[in-house]
Amino acid sequence: AQSVTQLGSHVSVSEGALVLLRCNYSSSVPPYLFWYVQYPNQGLQLLLKYTSAATLVKGINGFEAEFKKSETSFHLTKPSAHMSDAAEYFCAVSDRGGKLIFGQGTELSVKP
Amino acid sequence: EPEVTQTPSHQVTQMGQEVILRCVPISNHLYFYWYRQILGQKVEFLVSFYNNEISEKSEIFDDQFSVERPDGSNFTLKIRSTKLEDSAMYFCASSGREGAFFGQGTRLTVV
Repeated sequence: AQSVTQLGSHVSVSEGALVLLRCNYSSSVPPYLFWYVQYPNQGLQLLLKYTSAATLVKGINGFEAEFKKSETSFHLTKPSAHMSDAAEYFCAVSDRGGKLIFGQGTELSVKP
Repeated sequence: EPEVTQTPSHQVTQMGQEVILRCVPISNHLYFYWYRQILGQKVEFLVSFYNNEISEKSEIFDDQFSVERPDGSNFTLKIRSTKLEDSAMYFCASSGREGAFFGQGTRLTVV
């Protein structure tokens, strides 16, 4: 069975500061890993994905994530937070069958 | 840019009534999904659909739920007799080689 744990339901950073959202996964097969962002009252937008190619994955809006098999982690980072980054972020794992298993989500707040 | 579209964006229904949520997946995708998100909770998988049949379903997807692809473009989720606890955001998704893409969701409110 697959699962995802997102550490921290709420993260708050200052504008211009580093963003780090943590995600650990459990999977019995080599996983596909995803980060999605959800703005208020909107759907889920794909930020980036890992599908067994390069372990450092770059996504939209300046976000990137690194797959670390030894740590079973796929943390999301952005060097400098912007006010528009405030949203809910979901990490998800897939067994390549397409079905996604989501984490609980992390709400990111950005202070001016 | 191709996108998944869902209608309606918001549906209010009385308990016990049937609802049909509609989705138009991305045209060249072959895998289709429904997920739901109860307010304040995580996104949960309901069902996946491939080659005109259900390929996997979760425990949530009981006999009250059904899915259908009535024509070449639409993908629907039907809830036969809605309960209060069915109130949630329902997301449709379709996937291809580039990943899974989600619609904007339908907010279902059962009163």
